[in-house]
Amino acid sequence: EVQLVESGGGLVQPGGSLRLSCAASGFTFSSYDLNWVRQAPGKGLEWLSYISTTGDTRYYADSLKGRFTISRDNAKNSLYLQMNSLRAEDTAVYYCVRDRASSGWAYWGQGTLVTVSS
Amino acid sequence: DIQMTQSPSSLSASVGDRVTITCRASQSISTYLNWYQQKPGKGPKLLISVASSLQTGVPSRFSGSASGTFFTLTISSLQPEDFATYYCQEAYTMPLTFGGGTKVENK
Repeated sequence: EVQLVESGGGLVQPGGSLRLSCAASGFTFSSYDLNWVRQAPGKGLEWLSYISTTGDTRYYADSLKGRFTISRDNAKNSLYLQMNSLRAEDTAVYYCVRDRASSGWAYWGQGTLVTVSS
Repeated sequence: DIQMTQSPSSLSASVGDRVTITCRASQSISTYLNWYQQKPGKGPKLLISVASSLQTGVPSRFSGSASGTFFTLTISSLQPEDFATYYCQEAYTMPLTFGGGTKVENK
């Protein structure tokens, strides 16, 4: 069974940093592209970042302005999102998502809540 | 960046109604359009990929179609479990974008 389990969310002050992790199981991790998607409270879905199987290709949403970095460790079956210079508007549930978008995203994690507040 | 304009943003319908949700892309995305359903407190569920391909296990009352840059999700006969929010997503190019969502409520 495919499982994606996010962790690392929590309360952080504006300007702070946080590193999210996504632990994967039930499939050959190194064979799949991955993404991060977020959803602010009561709002819609926002794609944040993509990483290819080897990590050589990465894309980011323009709105992130270089503050977030996606990475992966295929030996540990893990995906990461390093988030710096956090703002109140980054408050959201963050989801780890498997596959290229062209395939459709059938596998999502349960999400981890990040709250940016003083 | 491609903009996805989804309408309506909300609708009220009754069980048994036919429901149609549309998404318009700001430029050609071929048929690289996915539809998701999301219920409160849950992650999104993929319903349809590449505009019209129904995912395994999704009821056949859901269907998708495309005409140029216009895409439609249709629920032929709304069931109680279908009250949810629906999102379209373009999967043609980066940055990926979602429509604003359509909340289907019980009339």
